[in-house]
Amino acid sequence: DAGVIQSPRHEVTEMGQEVTLRCKPISGHNSLFWYRQTMMRGLELLIYFNNNVPIDDSGMPEDRFSAKMPNASFSTLKIQPSEPRDSAVYFCASTRDGLYGYTFGSGTRLTVV
Amino acid sequence: DAKTTQPNSMESNEEEPVHLPCNHSTISGTDYIHWYRQLPSQGPEYVIHGLTSNVNNRMASLAIAEDRKSSTLILHRATLRDAAVYYCILRSPSGSARQLTFGSGTQLTVLP
Repeated sequence: DAGVIQSPRHEVTEMGQEVTLRCKPISGHNSLFWYRQTMMRGLELLIYFNNNVPIDDSGMPEDRFSAKMPNASFSTLKIQPSEPRDSAVYFCASTRDGLYGYTFGSGTRLTVV
Repeated sequence: DAKTTQPNSMESNEEEPVHLPCNHSTISGTDYIHWYRQLPSQGPEYVIHGLTSNVNNRMASLAIAEDRKSSTLILHRATLRDAAVYYCILRSPSGSARQLTFGSGTQLTVLP
């Protein structure tokens, strides 16, 4: 299994531009999570999906952030318009329902200049 | 939500055992104790989890106190590659606490 695959690994964009981060969860996992990590705030849960349905998006910072999961093998996190304070490492994770461990991707390092 | 308390940092010598403590005095009866670690420039990695009994796997052992108010992650023989931030997390089987909420963890330094 290739694990959770995120793309791109690095993204540098100008303020005001749209940014789309992508995630392919592990086949057979039915829960998917988007996290953001910064030095100041640590790892924060942004949103999670169960069976492709958004369950809790209370961690999404504001309307500029949106996430979709059109099918069991793909999810996107979009920021429009991006701002410098969005600079962070964004992680995607997946798990099977229940109490199994999460598998995290390698993350996307986003820099907004 | 039930919270955990961990030391900010710990040091260990290479090839010696490491005991990473975690306090969770407000744990509920159904909360599982999960441990993850994050190596530099990588995503968090699952280490081990348990409910009441001690657990062992190829990476580590988890010792859970009888009253479940604390637990200890044991690395039997630390290597330089074990230097990471270790997170102790309580996870409920249902409700809003099903997702993992990360605290600040313990930064483990392994000295050669």
